[in-house]
Amino acid sequence: DIQLTQSPSFLSASVGDRVTITCRASQGISSFLAWYQQKPGKAPKLLIYAASTLQRGVPSRFSGGGSGTEFTLTIISLQPEDVATYYCQQLTFGPGTKVEIK
Amino acid sequence: EVQLVESGGGLVQPGGSLRLSCAASGFTFRSYGMNWVRQAPGKGLEWVSYISSGGTTMYYADSVKGRFTISRDIAKSSLYLHMNTLRGEDTAVYFCVRDLMGTFYDPLTGYYKGAYFDYWGQGTLVTVSS
Repeated sequence: DIQLTQSPSFLSASVGDRVTITCRASQGISSFLAWYQQKPGKAPKLLIYAASTLQRGVPSRFSGGGSGTEFTLTIISLQPEDVATYYCQQLTFGPGTKVEIK
Repeated sequence: EVQLVESGGGLVQPGGSLRLSCAASGFTFRSYGMNWVRQAPGKGLEWVSYISSGGTTMYYADSVKGRFTISRDIAKSSLYLHMNTLRGEDTAVYFCVRDLMGTFYDPLTGYYKGAYFDYWGQGTLVTVSS
């Protein structure tokens, strides 16, 4: 089974900062990876699929990259509404990265 | 508007059974694969099960294989999860989730392709406790 790890597990940054979350797969998975955002008490929301395709309606400050075993989710200018936990997924999910505002 | 509404959660004793339902609307149900994803209190997301659009292909997480069964009724636009031999570690919010383009396992590569979940229900809580 493929295992996903995420780093960091917690991130605190200022409004306007560029933040990057990394997801690593235990074996190569080409570009078959998605990213989700989950706010407290809410269902997750699909942000990125196929590693770099922005889901319809998602702000362009979110971007995804990578292939094989290493992937990134970048928020180019962090906004207060981006406070959430972010998960990568290859059917199974990574452990999550909690993002807070400093 | 796509809507997924789960029901059937509740309190059940260890070893007991429960059936979750998900009523889908706002899209052509027969055209999409569907999933169940769960989240234990304060924990991360765990994919549970997938069923293809035609209902012929199912996948299960190792943690539920042999105990849970996923099914769908195209005529009723409904998804189900039959849960048997429930354990305390099955306690979670269970989400009904639409699959954007269908998921399939490629045995040549050893990984799944296309598992992208675009619409989620609000979830139903299952508590397994005596």
